[in-house]
Amino acid sequence: NAGVTQTPKFQVLKTGQSMTLQCAQDMNHNSMYWYRQDPGMGLRLIYYSASEGTTDKGEVPNGYNVSRLNKREFSLRLESAAPSQTSVYFCASSDTGSIMNTEAFFGQGTRLTVV
Amino acid sequence: AQKITQTQPGMFVQEKEAVTLDCTYDTSDPSYGLFWYKQPSSGEMIFLIYQGSYDQQNATEGRYSLNFQKARKSANLVISASQLGDSAMYFCAMRRPRGGYNKLIFGAGTRLAVHP
Repeated sequence: NAGVTQTPKFQVLKTGQSMTLQCAQDMNHNSMYWYRQDPGMGLRLIYYSASEGTTDKGEVPNGYNVSRLNKREFSLRLESAAPSQTSVYFCASSDTGSIMNTEAFFGQGTRLTVV
Repeated sequence: AQKITQTQPGMFVQEKEAVTLDCTYDTSDPSYGLFWYKQPSSGEMIFLIYQGSYDQQNATEGRYSLNFQKARKSANLVISASQLGDSAMYFCAMRRPRGGYNKLIFGAGTRLAVHP
C-alpha cells in the first residue's frame, strides 16, 4: 500500500524555470492538499481540492497553479520559480464530507531549491 | 479566519517525564476537528491523535493524550513517559467543514527534545 506518493524528492531550479510536482494517492480519498513547509512557519496550505475537477486557494497560492487530473492525482506547478519558493512541499490526502475525524495522509515531501 | 497558534518554538524534557505541548485555535464554527502530528528528523508526517469539537471526553492514544478545553479554545498534547524517540517537531492542526469539504490548517510547530 503506497499511500501518497510525491515526485521528485529533490529538485534544484534556476530562477524563472518552471516545473510540476506530481502527487498520487491510492486510498480513494476525495480531498487532496498541497502545503509548503518553511522553518518557523509550520505547514502552510497552498491549494486544496475537494474532488476531481475542483480546486481552491489556500493561505499562500500566489505563484502556484494546481490541477486535479483525476481522483488519484493532484499536481502543483510553478510557472516561473522564484527564490522565495525554496521550501519543502508536501502533498496530502484525506476523506471529506461529514467525516471529520479522518486524518490526512502525507507524502514524503519534495525539497525544492530555487537559485 | 481560522488560526492555530503554538507558542512554544522549542521544549525539552527529561526521558521518562511527561511534557505538555500547547495549542490554541480560533474558529467561529461549532463543528471542527483538531489533530496532532509528529515530524521526526526524517521528515515524514505522522498522525498522533484526534479530538472532535463535540467529543465529550479527551482523546487518548497510548502515551498521547489531548487536554481539550473548548471554552478556552485550547487543545494541548500531553506526552507521558517521554522516550528519546519522541524528539521531533510536533504540529497542531484544525479541520473544519467549509463548502462541503474539509480544509486542514496547521500551526507553526514545537520542536521537542528529549534528554536522557
